[in-house]
Amino acid sequence: NAGVMQNPRHLVRRRGQEARLRCSPMKGHSHVYWYRQLPEEGLKFMVYLQKENIIDESGMPKERFSAEFPKEGPSILRIQQVVRGDSAAYFCASSPWGDTEAFFGQGTRLTVV
Amino acid sequence: QQPVQSPQAVILREGEDAVINCSSSKALYSVHWYRQKHGEAPVFLMILLKGGEQKGHEKISASFNEKKQQSSLYLTASQLSYSGTYFCGTGGSGNTGKLIFGQGTTLQVKP
Repeated sequence: NAGVMQNPRHLVRRRGQEARLRCSPMKGHSHVYWYRQLPEEGLKFMVYLQKENIIDESGMPKERFSAEFPKEGPSILRIQQVVRGDSAAYFCASSPWGDTEAFFGQGTRLTVV
Repeated sequence: QQPVQSPQAVILREGEDAVINCSSSKALYSVHWYRQKHGEAPVFLMILLKGGEQKGHEKISASFNEKKQQSSLYLTASQLSYSGTYFCGTGGSGNTGKLIFGQGTTLQVKP
């Protein structure tokens, strides 16, 4: 049973470009969470999704950021018109249901140049 | 509100014990503990769902005091592999699984 898979592992974008981060949850997991981690800091909640539904996006910036978890395929975190401040590690986690152990992917390290 | 972890950093010799605390100003429904090594993903250690519950994982155990709104992680007879940053994540009501993480406690175990 493969773990949570994120790709790409490293992503470099120029300011103004779009970044797309993908997350395939563990088999049997229908709950997906995205977290952002700045260097030497903790994990900040961004968004919680179930299949085809956004349950809680209270941690998402109001502009340029969006997330989806379609019926088929991975969850996508999309950042439009990236700025240097978006540079961070973005982690995805999945769980079989709410408030149980969540397992993290290896993260995508986004660098905006 | 973000839970507060203490201490911020700990340096131990192999075989020594450590306690990491996690306190919240809001009611706690669950506490999740993770360890993260530099450049890697956070690794799940344990979850505590009931007040007063204690759980164990090898030589790592944790307690959850619902009344005091805090949890403690106990590391006994520490090993080099225990080095890393420990995060507590607190879950709210509604069984959502969304976690608010503390700022982390960095543990360094030396030979």
